[in-house]
Amino acid sequence: KNQVEQSPQSLIILEGKNCTLQCNYTVSPFSNLRWYKQDTGRGPVSLTIMTFSENTKSNGRYTATLDADTKQSSLHITASQLSDSASYICVVSEGGGNKLTFGTGTQLKVEL
Amino acid sequence: DTEVTQTPKHLVMGMTNKKSLKCEQHMGHRAMYWYKQKAKKPPELMFVYSYEKLSINESVPSRFSPECPNSSLLNLHLHALQPEDSALYLCASSQDMTGGAYEQYFGPGTRLTVT
Repeated sequence: KNQVEQSPQSLIILEGKNCTLQCNYTVSPFSNLRWYKQDTGRGPVSLTIMTFSENTKSNGRYTATLDADTKQSSLHITASQLSDSASYICVVSEGGGNKLTFGTGTQLKVEL
Repeated sequence: DTEVTQTPKHLVMGMTNKKSLKCEQHMGHRAMYWYKQKAKKPPELMFVYSYEKLSINESVPSRFSPECPNSSLLNLHLHALQPEDSALYLCASSQDMTGGAYEQYFGPGTRLTVT
C-alpha cells in the first residue's frame, strides 16, 4: 500500500530559528513529490514540487530536498516567522496519473 | 489568476436538508477534484472530473452527488447527510489529471457541520 510518513508530528520553535521536517514514502511508481502549507481551516497551498531528477528546490525561505533512491524528502525552513505556523503536508504523486497520497502532516508552531 | 473559489465558507445543515457546495476556477484547468478533510487528518480524495466527465469516484456514499456543469464549475450536492460527514470540503483543480506533474490548486474549503 502506498504510504507517506512524516516526522515529527508536531514541532514548536522560536521565531528566527531554522527547522527541518522529514518525509518518507513508499509510493510506487513515483512521479513527483510536493510540499504544501495548510493554515487551520484553509486549503493547502503549494510550496514546492519536485520530480525524480530534482534533488533540491527552493521557494523563498523554504528549501525542499529529495532523495529518490532512499525515498526521503525534507523541508527546511530558514529564519522562521510567526506566519509559518501551520501544518506542512508532504504529498506524493503516483506515476502515470495525478492521484496523490498525502502524509499526515507536521504541525509547526512558531513562538516569540 | 491561480485562484480556486468555494462557496459557502461555512454551512450548517440538518440531516434531512438538501444543500450544495460550489467550486469555481478560471485557469482553464480540465481536471477538478473534491476532497474531504477531517480535523488533524490529511485530505481524502472523493471525486475527480476530467474534461467534465466523472473520472474517479472513491466509493463515496450516494448522499454525496457531484456535478460538473462546465469546465469552470464543480458542484457537490448533499442530501441526507450524517453527523460524521461534518468536515472541511476542499475543491482543487489542475491543468490535467494525467502525467502526474501538474500542480493541484486548492480552494479555501467549505466547513460543513451536520446537526
